[in-house]
Amino acid sequence: QVQLQESGPGLVEPSQTLSLTCTVSGGNIIYGGYYWSWLRQHPGKGLEWIGYIFHTGNVYYNPSLKNLVTISVDTSENQFSLNLISLTAADTAVYYCARVSGNAFDLWGPGTVVTVSS
Amino acid sequence: QSALTQPASVSGSPGQSITFSCTGANSDVGHYNLVSWYQQHPGRAPKLIISDVTKRPSGVSNRFSGSKSGNTASLTISGLQAEDEADYYCCSYAIGGTWLFGGGTKLTVL
Repeated sequence: QVQLQESGPGLVEPSQTLSLTCTVSGGNIIYGGYYWSWLRQHPGKGLEWIGYIFHTGNVYYNPSLKNLVTISVDTSENQFSLNLISLTAADTAVYYCARVSGNAFDLWGPGTVVTVSS
Repeated sequence: QSALTQPASVSGSPGQSITFSCTGANSDVGHYNLVSWYQQHPGRAPKLIISDVTKRPSGVSNRFSGSKSGNTASLTISGLQAEDEADYYCCSYAIGGTWLFGGGTKLTVL
């Protein structure tokens, strides 16, 4: 079955750029008409949608993060990625990648903890 | 846009039915039938349990059901079980092209 797995650094310094990758296994990212999304969860808090991308490169961002975020897709590697610039301590969170099926996030990766600290 | 509003915690005894509320606005919950609910156990990723207000994905127990009235969506769990103890989050699509989540409700099974 389809599985998602996040990868990237667990610790990033303030003002730097966070780069995360989500690898999709068990299925091809270009089939099924799915969007592929990034979300995050601040410690002890609720979830926040960051944005999502279609395999064609069509991308949508949370307006509150739009100037800081870039999501890209690499269909040859069956991956999609997140870049978040100008990090602050407020970006410390668990970052999840997820598949969007219809109107919901139906499949999630296990999440990766990112700490922004010097 | 503001996050959706959920009570911080609810509790119930095994076998009981319990309902969670999720209050939004005319621009999100009240405008679209695009409310979904997620269950999250500690240290785990969220799991989709309800989509499009009332739809239950394959494999999700029929003890979970969803509904909506005006700007408030609800999730009901019937026949409460110990394994239902978790955090529950609602989510809605909103005008402007964004997805909003609630702050989550912690369910304690007594």
